Amino acid sequence: AQTVTQSQPEMSVQEAETVTLSCTYDTSESDYYLFWYKQPPSRQMILVIRQEAYKQQNATENRFSVNFQKAAKSFSLKISDSQLGDAAMYFCAYRSRGAGNMLTFGGGTRLMVKP
Amino acid sequence: DVKVTQSSRYLVKRTGEKVFLECVQDMDHENMFWYRQDPGLGLRLIYFSYDVKMKEKGDIPEGYSVSREKKERFSLILESASTNQTSMYLCASKPPADKPYEQYFGPGTRLTVT
Repeated sequence: AQTVTQSQPEMSVQEAETVTLSCTYDTSESDYYLFWYKQPPSRQMILVIRQEAYKQQNATENRFSVNFQKAAKSFSLKISDSQLGDAAMYFCAYRSRGAGNMLTFGGGTRLMVKP
Repeated sequence: DVKVTQSSRYLVKRTGEKVFLECVQDMDHENMFWYRQDPGLGLRLIYFSYDVKMKEKGDIPEGYSVSREKKERFSLILESASTNQTSMYLCASKPPADKPYEQYFGPGTRLTVT
């Protein structure tokens, strides 16, 4: 079974600065997807960014980028130019390719943004 | 836009009561999921359904059952609520194909069992 670990229960960042959230996972599979989801205080979970394991290039979505290290089984999220609206719970998640589309989540990191 | 709705945002029930949590999605997705969210534990899968009347146990099915009589609706049932089922419950949906890649989540129901 796969496991996902987020070692930082809470992080804080000054507005306009950069912060990196950590995620490690354990799997014996070679083909899978990794996700970062954001859950703002309003609670609706939304997808931030996705990485396919077979792609070597790190995914980027505007101010959000990942550092995907497949051999190390590490998948960190970098948020640049942090904004007050980035304050939320962030969850790292793993999904096998196919396999019923089930997600395995990490424990989450609460990000606080200081004005 | 995909919309996933849940019947209540907050619910307070007494120990031993039968509790129904409803989830409805409007995108004709075959796959639907129920998760439980607890601090430090992230989201854990309770049950999922890949079609009408089909269901599979997730990681923590004990104390729960589900019903999927129509494609758009997936219900989570607590047969006899207990205090350790106080939690946030999230529903999600997704088509069975690889794409789109993400699951779409509802707003959540915070259940308190007293």
